[in-house]
Amino acid sequence: AQKITQTQPGMFVQEKEAVTLDCTYDTSDQSYGLFWYKQPSSGEMIFLIYQGSYDEQNATEGRYSLNFQKARKSANLVISASQLGDSAMYFCAMRGLSGTYKYIFGTGTRLKVLA
Amino acid sequence: DAGVIQSPRHEVTEMGQEVTLRCKPISGHDYLFWYRQTMMRGLELLIYFNNNVPIDDSGMPEDRFSAKMPNASFSTLKIQPSEPRDSAVYFCASSQHRAATNEKLFFGSGTQLSVL
Repeated sequence: AQKITQTQPGMFVQEKEAVTLDCTYDTSDQSYGLFWYKQPSSGEMIFLIYQGSYDEQNATEGRYSLNFQKARKSANLVISASQLGDSAMYFCAMRGLSGTYKYIFGTGTRLKVLA
Repeated sequence: DAGVIQSPRHEVTEMGQEVTLRCKPISGHDYLFWYRQTMMRGLELLIYFNNNVPIDDSGMPEDRFSAKMPNASFSTLKIQPSEPRDSAVYFCASSQHRAATNEKLFFGSGTQLSVL
């Protein structure tokens, strides 16, 4: 069975500081993808970053990076130089790429950036 | 492409009524997902389709929920009869499967359902 766990319901960070949002996962798939999405107060879902289970290097997209530790089954999102516009809900997600193609999400972390 | 289109954006109904949510995926996408978002449970996967065929409906909460995908460009999620605890935002999302690559989901704007 697949499962995504986000243990931080809410986080605060000072503007311009870095913040790490935690995500752990469980899967029986040998091959899978890990994703982070952002949901601002407007409600839309915005894709941020992707990491494949066989990628040896951590993914980066601008100010977003994914700290992937396969042995620990964690895929933490790091946001550098936080901006006020980063205040939003953040969801970690996983999709199996062999066997099952279920695309599941965690419960989310609400991030508030303080001026 | 216009993206994933959901309708209605908002639905207010009374307990016991039938509710039908609609979704038009992005043309060419072969996977379609229905999610329910609540504060307590986050984004729950209800059901997903591949090439119009339901693959996994284990997330459908009870028999009151049903989903169909009669063709590649249309899907419905029906709740009959509706109950107040069904109040949530329902998202439809689609993706195109390519093995071992970034398969991000494209989400619709969601349907805010309120059952009184």
